[in-house]
Amino acid sequence: NAGVMQNPRHLVRRRGQEARLRCSPMKGHSHVYWYRQLPEEGLKFMVYLQKENIIDESGMPKERFSAEFPKEGPSILRIQQVVRGDSAAYFCASSKDRATNTGELFFGEGSRLTVL
Amino acid sequence: GESVGLHLPTLSVQEGDNSIINCAYSNSASDYFIWYKQESGKGPQFIIDIRSNMDKRQGQRVTVLLNKTVKHLSLQIAATQPGDSAVYFCAENRRDNQGGKLIFGQGTELSVKP
Repeated sequence: NAGVMQNPRHLVRRRGQEARLRCSPMKGHSHVYWYRQLPEEGLKFMVYLQKENIIDESGMPKERFSAEFPKEGPSILRIQQVVRGDSAAYFCASSKDRATNTGELFFGEGSRLTVL
Repeated sequence: GESVGLHLPTLSVQEGDNSIINCAYSNSASDYFIWYKQESGKGPQFIIDIRSNMDKRQGQRVTVLLNKTVKHLSLQIAATQPGDSAVYFCAENRRDNQGGKLIFGQGTELSVKP
């Protein structure tokens, strides 16, 4: 029973390029969450999606960042025109039901983005 | 609550000793708390959780204590082992959010000396 799968694990981009990070939730999970972690900091919530819907995007930067979770296929976090400050680890988590009162978010291993 | 720093707080313990990791949270609307363990290069791993209507919960070798009066949370690890070396994060879930929007603390790096 595979866990949350993220790819790529490591991604290097030059300033101005686009980064696409993919997340396949655990089998049977339809809720996906994206978090960002800067070095030596805790994770910061970005966005919560359910199949084809964005439920909460209050943590997403207003520009350059977008997320989707299509009916078929993985969730995608897209960062356009990357800047050095986007360098971070991006974690995806999934849950079976809406994680309102539960910490049962299962995290992936993360995608580490480095912007040169 | 959230804090930003250049260096993680660290805790160094001898193998076999008990470890206590502390966390302060900021929002009295938080009603659910979780401790995560994050090993180098990996994602956070759920350890134990506690609801705000409780003040103590025990798991295997771990105990979480919640003091709502001073908004303080602690994780106790009994008989700490080298495999416990990791960064530990507390996280809070606020009842006014739509789900899954955990607020993570800064983290504490636990180092276990053999």
